[in-house]
Amino acid sequence: AQSVAQPEDQVNVAEGNPLTVKCTYSVSGNPYLFWYVQYPNRGLQFLLKYITGDNLVKGSYGFEAEFNKSQTSFHLKKPSALVSDSALYFCAVSRGGRSNDYKLSFGAGTTVTVRA
Amino acid sequence: GAVVSQHPSWVICKSGTSVKIECRSLDFQATTMFWYRQFPKQSLMLMATSNEGSKATYEQGVEKDKFLINHASLTLSTLTVTSAHPEDSSFYICSATGFSYGYTFGSGTRLTVV
Repeated sequence: AQSVAQPEDQVNVAEGNPLTVKCTYSVSGNPYLFWYVQYPNRGLQFLLKYITGDNLVKGSYGFEAEFNKSQTSFHLKKPSALVSDSALYFCAVSRGGRSNDYKLSFGAGTTVTVRA
Repeated sequence: GAVVSQHPSWVICKSGTSVKIECRSLDFQATTMFWYRQFPKQSLMLMATSNEGSKATYEQGVEKDKFLINHASLTLSTLTVTSAHPEDSSFYICSATGFSYGYTFGSGTRLTVV
C-alpha cells in the first residue's frame, strides 16, 4: 500500500517570508512524487515532480522540493511567499516504473494562507 | 504542455436524473484516465481507473452501476452519475496519463443534485 501524510492542515506565513509545506510518503519501491496546487472550485495544477536524479527539484512559480529518501520526505518550499500563493496544496505519490496506470495517492492537503 | 478539458464545469440536476461528465485530452493520447471525487476541504478520493478500450477498475466501495465510466477512445472518457441523489453532490475531477509519464488534471465539475 502507498500513502502520503501532510502533517499540517494549515500553514500561515507573511508575504515575503519562506514557505514550507511538509510531506512524507510510504510506497514500495522507488517513489514518484508530485506537488499540486488547487484554487477554489478548480482542478489541480501541477507544480513539480521527482522521478529520479537530483534530489532538489525546481518547479513552477518559484517552488522547489527536496527528495529525502532516508526520511521519506518531499517537502515543498518557496523562499519568498506571495499572497497569490494562498491555496490548497497536495502532495502525491505513485509507485515508480514504466507503467502509466499506477495510481496516485494524495495527502489530505495543506491550506496555505499568505498574509500581506 | 498536456491539456485535459473537463465539461461541464458545473451542473445542477434533479434527483433521479443522470448526469454525464466528459474528460478529453486535447493534445495527447490518454492511455489511462482516472476519476476522483473531492468533498469540501478534503483530499481527492480515487473512484476508478480506466484504460482505453477496456472496462474501468473501480475502487472498493464505489458503486460501478451508479458511476458508469466509458473510455472509448484515447482522447475521451466519460463519467455518468446515474439516478443521482443529493448525496452524490460533489466535485469530480478527471486525470489522464499518456505515453510519456505524467498526470494531467481536468478543471473539475461541481455537481449539485437538488
